[in-house]
Amino acid sequence: DGGITQSPKYLFRKEGQNVTLSCEQNLNHDAMYWYRQDPGQGLRLIYYSQIVNDFQKGDIAEGYSVSREKKESFPLTVTSAQKNPTAFYLCASREGATGELFFGEGSRLTVL
Amino acid sequence: ILNVEQSPQSLHVQEGDSTNFTCSFPSSNFYALHWYRWETAKSPEALFVMTLNGDEKKKGRISATLNTKEGYSYLYIKGSQPEDSATYLCAFIGGSSNTGKLIFGQGTTLQVKP
Repeated sequence: DGGITQSPKYLFRKEGQNVTLSCEQNLNHDAMYWYRQDPGQGLRLIYYSQIVNDFQKGDIAEGYSVSREKKESFPLTVTSAQKNPTAFYLCASREGATGELFFGEGSRLTVL
Repeated sequence: ILNVEQSPQSLHVQEGDSTNFTCSFPSSNFYALHWYRWETAKSPEALFVMTLNGDEKKKGRISATLNTKEGYSYLYIKGSQPEDSATYLCAFIGGSSNTGKLIFGQGTTLQVKP
């Protein structure tokens, strides 16, 4: 089945540790996105990539890093510089013809 | 940061009621407006992608309109059913060309009581 796979679904991390969230797609989409959701807030854009080996900062990129070495993969690293990393993270890819986003099931990160 | 606002924040209706909600976005440099439905414990799914002023789209009992000149879109649900209960998100893309940057509103959460 084609889709977006995020892992892990739940992740616990100690303060000061970096953690990487995985996002893989087999839809052959060029563009991929990372969003963050906090309680009572909408989805906020962290980073996006329109093509392999290129990515742009979103509105809340500080404390995060990404790479896009392969079309199907767009991992997000939450670094120790991110002041409030506990949140729900959603990855998406975008279909070129319709522009629709296809989302993964999300990863919930909790910093202890 | 571009401002995309949705109202109301939440809505409770009875089964069979019709309802509508609003998405407001910047009226300049419009490229596209998306609507998504996000059910609990599932991934958001696309409802509509709208690009032209005056566009009206329909999927079953759900329809949407778009006014790019004044910067708003309405989502209508006719005869709400319990399975319509979800959070409805709109997302705006601005720019003269497809920058690819989708900015979401905070969503409208709909609860339909049987």
